[in-house]
Parts: sequence; C-alpha cells; structure tokens
Amino acid sequence: DADVTQTPRNRITKTGKRIMLECSQTKGHDRMYWYRQDPGLGLQLIYYSFDVKDINKGEISDGYSVSRQAQAKFSLSLESAIPNQTALYFCATSDLDGGTTNTGELFFGEGSRLTVL
Amino acid sequence: DAKTTQPPSMDCAEGRAANLPCNHSTISGNEYVYWYRQIHSQGPQYIIHGLKNNETNEMASLIITEDRKSSTLILPHATLRDTAVYYCAANFGNEKLTFGTGTRLTIIP
Repeated sequence: DADVTQTPRNRITKTGKRIMLECSQTKGHDRMYWYRQDPGLGLQLIYYSFDVKDINKGEISDGYSVSRQAQAKFSLSLESAIPNQTALYFCATSDLDGGTTNTGELFFGEGSRLTVL
Repeated sequence: DAKTTQPPSMDCAEGRAANLPCNHSTISGNEYVYWYRQIHSQGPQYIIHGLKNNETNEMASLIITEDRKSSTLILPHATLRDTAVYYCAANFGNEKLTFGTGTRLTIIP
C-alpha cells in the first residue's frame, strides 16, 4: 500500500459543485501539503499544515479550503468548482525538521486528476 | 522563498552525464536547494538536496556554486529511465518548498 494515498484518483464534475479531495498517510509525519499542477506551470502550493491545529495558506489558496482531521488526514475542498480549477492535485507529507538525519524530503501521493466542466 | 529558474527542456545521450542547471539568485543563506523528478504524471520523487557543499548520493550529484546563486544536478550515466521532468526548489527546513517550472529531460538512445 502507498504511504500517501489520495482519493479520488480521477474526478469529473460540473461548475458550481462542491468537491473534496482526500489525503491520508501512514508515514506518521506531522507536515502535510496540497499542491496543484497545471501543464507547463510546475507545482504550486495551495495549503500546508504543520500539525492538526496549524493550517497555512500557500501561493494559490483562493477558491480552496482545507481540513486537517487528524495527523494522518488532510482534505482539500473546492466549495464551488470552476473550470480553471481543472488540474492535477498532489498531496505530500514530510517529517518535522528536528535532526541532522532528516532530509526534509517530501513524499508525494499519486495525484488526483480533477476536471471541471 | 527563493525563486528558481530552469531551462524548459534538455536532451542527453544515453550513457552520458546529464547536467541540469538551476538558477536561484535570490536564495537566502539558510535556504536549502532540493531536486525532485517527476515521471509522467506520477508524484514527484526526491533526488537530493544541499545547502553549501556539493552532495552525492546513489542517484545523483549536486554541485552548488560558491555564491549559492545556482546549482547543477548531475546524473552521471543517464539511462532511458531517467527521462522525466526535473524540478529544482528552495526553502528553509521544508516549511514551504517552492518549485520552479522544471526541465523536461529526454534521454536519447
């Protein structure tokens, strides 16, 4: 089983619908992130969370909200989806930077492809 | 966070060293440089990171200039499986890893 699991993997929806993308991890990491990827634009940070009580906006948070239900779960919501939110969404985790052995490596899920018609 | 810029694409012959450059001229003294790669539309995979010194692991080498304004990822003996998009990124302690637009590396047989 994957360490970082995203559901759904693919979703087609209509403009105005509410959509939730879910992420769960078994790595025991405190930090979780949501990224968006558009063709030719690389990865853009939407929201990130350092622990259950800590939520921060990233570069492109408008139109999105998140919920950190538990250490292992971080959900991304689109309250009213619009076509320009069509993209590939990635969840990632990392360990809290606390020692010389920590690489600060991000572990990514396999992505959720969202299409808004 | 530092901005990173990379060439959009590069080719490399199979078996040769692939050298992928990255400019991060606004990097601050405590920001690490990270490299990731993405094969097709899979989740990006960590390759290597560094602060000041050159680094090497089983996948690649990272050369950081003395002024830290640029770096080069070196894949010493490129194989067809190294065809991917390579991202250079910078941050401090992985708080907000900011990715560039990446370099699409194509390994030519």
